[in-house]
Amino acid sequence: AQSVTQPDIHITVSEGASLELRCNYSYGATPYLFWYVQSPGQGLQLLLKYFSGDTLVQGIKGFEAEFKRSQSSFNLRKPSVHWSDAAEYFCAVGAEQAGTALIFGKGTTLSVSS
Amino acid sequence: KAGVTQTPRYLIKTRGQQVTLSCSPISGHRSVSWYQQTPGQGLQFLFEYFSETQRNKGNFPGRFSGRQFSNSRSEMNVSTLELGDSALYLCASSRTGTGNTIYFGEGSWLTVV
Repeated sequence: AQSVTQPDIHITVSEGASLELRCNYSYGATPYLFWYVQSPGQGLQLLLKYFSGDTLVQGIKGFEAEFKRSQSSFNLRKPSVHWSDAAEYFCAVGAEQAGTALIFGKGTTLSVSS
Repeated sequence: KAGVTQTPRYLIKTRGQQVTLSCSPISGHRSVSWYQQTPGQGLQFLFEYFSETQRNKGNFPGRFSGRQFSNSRSEMNVSTLELGDSALYLCASSRTGTGNTIYFGEGSWLTVV
């Protein structure tokens, strides 16, 4: 079955500390991978995407993610977290043949402590 | 350029009624998709329209329907509303829907009472 797992429901990180959010997927086809962020009461903002090529992708707001095919993972990282990064983060997987039918993980809520 | 625009942003409906939500995609985008977000089920794909044709459909009952107009604007309709339909409905647009970045709107909050 196709699925996305975000093992951490809630993470708290100190401001200035590094961050890694985990994402594992199960998908039959060559995956397209996305990370989105959602602030309370808002829609989804795309942080970064992987379609093909370089497995380390850079996104907005200083985020990056690495695609590891052997581990079926696409973890999101940021070297230094800012208080404004507090939000919910969603990993999603799709494929060319699936069009825009993405499968989302349940999300990880990030809290930032001062 | 303008992003994905959804209207209305908030609405309250009574069980048994129907509701229509509207979405204007980013200019030049021909693919529009709809998602439902609830605390229990998370984000789930409803359907995708491309060039006025439904191209893909998620696992939702027939009460959920949609359409797309020649200017790529889309509407989704939910008939015979149930309490469980209370959710954030997100519209997403992409240039062609295949291998393109998918951009989401702010969503329409539907409460069914």
